[in-house]
Amino acid sequence: DAKTTQPNSMESNEEEPVHLPCNHSTISGTDYIHWYRQLPSQGPEYVIHGLTSNVNNRMASLAIAEDRKSSTLILHRATLRDAAVYYCILRDPSGSARQLTFGSGTQLTVLP
Amino acid sequence: ETGVTQSPTHLIKTRGQQVTLRCSSQSGHNTVSWYQQALGQGPQFIFQYYREEENGRGNFPPRFSGLQFPNYSSELNVNALELDDSALYLCASSPDIQETQYFGPGTRLLVL
Repeated sequence: DAKTTQPNSMESNEEEPVHLPCNHSTISGTDYIHWYRQLPSQGPEYVIHGLTSNVNNRMASLAIAEDRKSSTLILHRATLRDAAVYYCILRDPSGSARQLTFGSGTQLTVLP
Repeated sequence: ETGVTQSPTHLIKTRGQQVTLRCSSQSGHNTVSWYQQALGQGPQFIFQYYREEENGRGNFPPRFSGLQFPNYSSELNVNALELDDSALYLCASSPDIQETQYFGPGTRLLVL
């Protein structure tokens, strides 16, 4: 699987937007970009995924660079409940790999 | 709709013992994946089951084994426990092999 690079930690103020970056310079044409988050003492939770176009859902937005070598997860108004480790994962649905390959993720701290 | 559940939530074992962890998949999901998460690290893929057959395995020794039942619930068995097996064990179910994975809350295993 192609690798992703994320900052170890980020801080945000409550009710402000948060932009979580992810670099994936070796991404292949068939890799989808997935984001999961893991709240304290819980299992990972699916957030969003996309291939080329920007994507929006009720939780977040995903902005994908035109060359697809980087992406940004956007939380429009951070709340204290958004404090979690955020994982950016590449996944090729046509490939043989079955698993999600997690890196270290970004620990997001939301300040009141 | 019931989400993914795991039992027990916590477990303490001693080195050399055997343990069985259980996972109940989300309704309609035929695929289950198991992950091990050591403290401070991202989850690591153990194996995946699809329609009761093992469908991929990570870099874990044979003493890690599993089962998936006709109702798509699943078990993870670990023999000859070692201290390094202390971790959070997560299962994730998905509607099909390459679909989004939905995680349970995990079982925290401590090996003394």
